[in-house]
Amino acid sequence: NAGVTQTPKFRVLKTGQSMTLLCAQDMNHEYMYWYRQDPGMGLRLIHYSVGEGTTAKGEVPDGYNVSRLKKQNFLLGLESAAPSQTSVYFCATAARLGGETQYFGPGTRLLVL
Amino acid sequence: GQNIDQPTEMTATEGAIVQINCTYQTSGFNGLFWYQQHAGEAPTFLSYNVLDGLEEKGRFSSFLSRSKGYSYLLLKELQMKDSASYLCAVRNTGGFKTIFGAGTRLFVKA
Repeated sequence: NAGVTQTPKFRVLKTGQSMTLLCAQDMNHEYMYWYRQDPGMGLRLIHYSVGEGTTAKGEVPDGYNVSRLKKQNFLLGLESAAPSQTSVYFCATAARLGGETQYFGPGTRLLVL
Repeated sequence: GQNIDQPTEMTATEGAIVQINCTYQTSGFNGLFWYQQHAGEAPTFLSYNVLDGLEEKGRFSSFLSRSKGYSYLLLKELQMKDSASYLCAVRNTGGFKTIFGAGTRLFVKA
């Protein structure tokens, strides 16, 4: 089992360009999350999904959109990238509420010039 | 509001014991997690507390006091590989959102 995978691992964008980050999981988990991690600020929740076809806003949703068309995939889109979106992006999944932890993907490093 | 505080950095000696503290303020509480994150890697789960008290798991233990909004992670018999960031995270009532602290960078020296 691959667990949680993220594509791409690293990307450089110019301001104004668009891109989609893909998160895929083979653990049959209901809940999926997108975080960004910046130095000194910890992980901040961008968007999350509690099941196929559902999405919701997190702490810092502006400038991002998401889709969960299939249970195993959670896509994060940047329509018009800005330098402030330079960050490391982590996807995470969880089986259910309660004592279950979140399982994180390896991360995507994004640099916006 | 919601806030999680933990020290930015700590240094300890190989073989020693270190305690990393975390204080939190949240609008609702549904569990506290500790994660370990090595540089350039993803966070990995260490412990989960939802009731007051101490949870022990090998060299790592985690303590929770809900009335004080306080937790600590205790690492015993430190090894060089324990050099990493340790993230304290609190899950809100409802369970969908988890708020993370900025993390504590632990340096283990020989």
